[in-house]
Formats: sequence, C-alpha cells, structure tokens
Amino acid sequence: DSGVTQTPKHLITATGQRVTLRCSPRSGDLSVYWYQQSLDQGLQFLIQYYNGEERAKGNILERFSAQQFPDLHSELNLSSLELGDSALYFCASSVAPDSYGYTFGSGTRLTVV
Amino acid sequence: AQKITQTQPGMFVQEKEAVTLDCTYDTSDQSYGLFWYKQPSSGEMIFLIYQGSYDEQNATEGRYSLNFQKARKSANLVISASQLGDSAMYFCAMTHERSNDYKLSFGAGTTVTVRA
Repeated sequence: DSGVTQTPKHLITATGQRVTLRCSPRSGDLSVYWYQQSLDQGLQFLIQYYNGEERAKGNILERFSAQQFPDLHSELNLSSLELGDSALYFCASSVAPDSYGYTFGSGTRLTVV
Repeated sequence: AQKITQTQPGMFVQEKEAVTLDCTYDTSDQSYGLFWYKQPSSGEMIFLIYQGSYDEQNATEGRYSLNFQKARKSANLVISASQLGDSAMYFCAMTHERSNDYKLSFGAGTTVTVRA
C-alpha cells in the first residue's frame, strides 16, 4: 500500500456519460497530481493541486475538471466521455520532490464503451 | 519544453544478468530531477531511483543504479542481477525543480522481459 488511495479501481461507462475519480493523498502530502496513461499518448500530466489551489495544468481537456478539497483529497471529473478517454488515470502525491519521488496510487482504469 | 527519450521499446535479458535501459533528456533548466519508475503488468507505478541534476555521484538503490552523464544529458538505468520479477515496463521521467511546479514528464517506456 503506497498510502495514496484511488477509487474506484475499475470503471466501465458509456460514451457521453460523466464520472468522478477520487484520490486521497498520502498523509502529510499537500500536492496532488493527476496523470493519464493511454496507449496512444503514453503517460501525460493532467493537472496539479497544491493545498487546495490549482498549481499547474497540462494536457487536460476542457471536458475534464478537478478540485482539491480542504481535507486534501482530490476528485477528477470527466464528462461527455468519448471512447478515446479510456485510459488508466493515476493520482500521485508529494510534499515536494525529494529523493523518494512521488507516491503514485494504484490507478483507476476507465473503460468507455 | 522538456523531452524524455527512451529508444528501446522492448528488451530481453537473461536471469541474473545486468541490463541497461537508455534514457536521454532535453532541457534548458539547470535544476531538475530524474526518476525511474517500474510498472508491472498489474499497473501500479513503483518508484525506483532518483537523481538530482546537481548530484555529483550516481544514485544507487539496491540492484538499481543510475548512470548519470550530465554533459550527454543521459540517465540510464542499470539493473544488476536481473530477477524474473523485474519483468515490467520501465519509465524514465523528469521534473524541473523551480517554484512549486513539479510535474513529471515521462518517456515512452521500455518493456523488459527477464528469461529464466
């Protein structure tokens, strides 16, 4: 157990639907990152939150949004889902990059049918 | 913009032998961090090793060592005494350590298969 909890582990949904992925960071970590891993795009950074505020944005579609709550858990909302959104979505947390690197959750595998 | 290149899509290695996974990077930053992650077939991302751009010595963690050649902008991972459990995808990643923007840029990955 890495200490970063992602739920659900698997999600199957239809095109056009909306889903919410949840991440609880490791205790003491203030930063949460979301990454998408797909076959065609590889591992892509989506968005970072630090202590409740958006800190950096990557290749995140307008149909996607995220937030970090006061208890530091984060949610990634994916709407108007398309087949191409099928991917493994990782959450990672850190206090700051150090010799131990980020801590990744086990991911949520999203399948859009 | 940063770019990570892993030129080896897949590699086979005999059990107990060493294997080197190539990684080159491109950045104009002076301060950056280099990481290697392992992703087994189960999907989780496992941190292996870290090298800071100002670290003069190559990082080592057990059977993993990072061959850091700053002038060549390369950060190759060496796995010694390969084990069957080392079969996985390996990703090289980089972050630039300025402000609080610590996002990782990943390479395409190298699949390692260890043969008995």
